[in-house]
Amino acid sequence: EDQVTQSPEALRLQEGESSSLNCSYTVSGLRGLFWYRQDPGKGPEFLFTLYSAGEEKEKERLKATLTKKESFLHITAPKPEDSATYLCAVQRGSGNTGKLIFGQGTTLQVKP
Amino acid sequence: KAGVTQTPRYLIKTRGQQVTLSCSPISGHRSVSWYQQTPGQGLQFLFEYFSETQRNKGNFPGRFSGRQFSNSRSEMNVSTLELGDSALYLCASSWGASSISPSYGYTFGSGTRLTVV
Repeated sequence: EDQVTQSPEALRLQEGESSSLNCSYTVSGLRGLFWYRQDPGKGPEFLFTLYSAGEEKEKERLKATLTKKESFLHITAPKPEDSATYLCAVQRGSGNTGKLIFGQGTTLQVKP
Repeated sequence: KAGVTQTPRYLIKTRGQQVTLSCSPISGHRSVSWYQQTPGQGLQFLFEYFSETQRNKGNFPGRFSGRQFSNSRSEMNVSTLELGDSALYLCASSWGASSISPSYGYTFGSGTRLTVV
């Protein structure tokens, strides 16, 4: 069964304290792995799509990496405005290709 | 360009009633997907429409249904509402060609917050 597990559930950082969020997945033929950011009361905001093991993408203080079993979202020198819930989702390579399977998310709080 | 628009933003309904939610995708996007988000279950896939046809369906009871119009706008309907249907309902759109995974991801709307009392 396709499954996505994110850890930790919650993370508190001081401003400037770098860390990583983990997304472990089991899926039948990965087509893509997505990272989203969600602020309270809003819909998820797209960050990255990764397609194959070894791929990396960066955006400002965020860097996403992918292996055959997991993905990491590295946050370098975070700021309070990076506080949000970060969601990981996978898309399988066949069958229900329009369906994203989401993890439960990691809620990040960055204190000034 | 305008994003994904969902209406209404908030809705309060009584058990047993039915409700219709609306989603207008980004101009040019032909695929619309619906998700239910709850604190306990997270984001769960409801269904996906492409060119007015339901392409995929999640594991939800038949009370949940949807449709897509020729202009790609989509509606979802929930009949005989239950307390457990209280959730944030999210719509996401993409170009949605059947065999291409979007490199820019699916764009989500802000959702409709449904409360069933």
